[in-house]
Amino acid sequence: DIQMTQSPSSLSASVGDRVTITCQASQDINNFLNWYQQKPGKAPKLLIYDASILETGVPSRFSGSGSGTDFTFTISSLQPEDIATYYCQQYDDLPPAFGQGTKLEIK
Amino acid sequence: EVQLVESGGGLVQPGGSLRLSCAASGFTFSSAAMHWVRQAPGKGLEYVSAISGNGGSTYYVDSVKGRFTISRDNSKNTLYLQMGSLRAEDTAVYYCARDRSFMFSAFDIWGQGTMVTVSS
Repeated sequence: DIQMTQSPSSLSASVGDRVTITCQASQDINNFLNWYQQKPGKAPKLLIYDASILETGVPSRFSGSGSGTDFTFTISSLQPEDIATYYCQQYDDLPPAFGQGTKLEIK
Repeated sequence: EVQLVESGGGLVQPGGSLRLSCAASGFTFSSAAMHWVRQAPGKGLEYVSAISGNGGSTYYVDSVKGRFTISRDNSKNTLYLQMGSLRAEDTAVYYCARDRSFMFSAFDIWGQGTMVTVSS
């Protein structure tokens, strides 16, 4: 099974900061990588698919990049409503696998 | 409005059974592959199972294979997860989700989740 490793596991940043989360796959997954946002007590929400394509309606401050084994998720200017846990997920091979999550907090 | 609504969760004893339902609305259900994803309390997301739009193809993660059965009734726009031989480690919020493309891609619509607690 493909393992997905996110870093950091938690992150504290200030409003307006640029925030970056990385996700590493245990083998080449091409660009078959998605990013989700989950707020406390809520279902996950798809933000980015195929590594870099922004889902409809998602603010442009969110972006993704990478291919192969190394991927990056960026919030260009952190907003208070971005407080959540973020997950990457690969779908290059079965089973689809999620990273362990990155909990983002406001400093 | 595109929506998924799960139901059927609850408290069940180890070894017991439970059937979850996921009612879909606002999109052509029969054209969409569907998935179940679970989240144990305080933990991350874990993939569980998938079914194609016509129900002809299914997939299970190893930890539930032989115990869980995914199915769908396209005439009722409803997805199911029949869970048997339940274990404490199956305790989680269970989410249904729609695949945005083919059978395994991104999950673009999620339900609110239903809690399953396996305990004596």
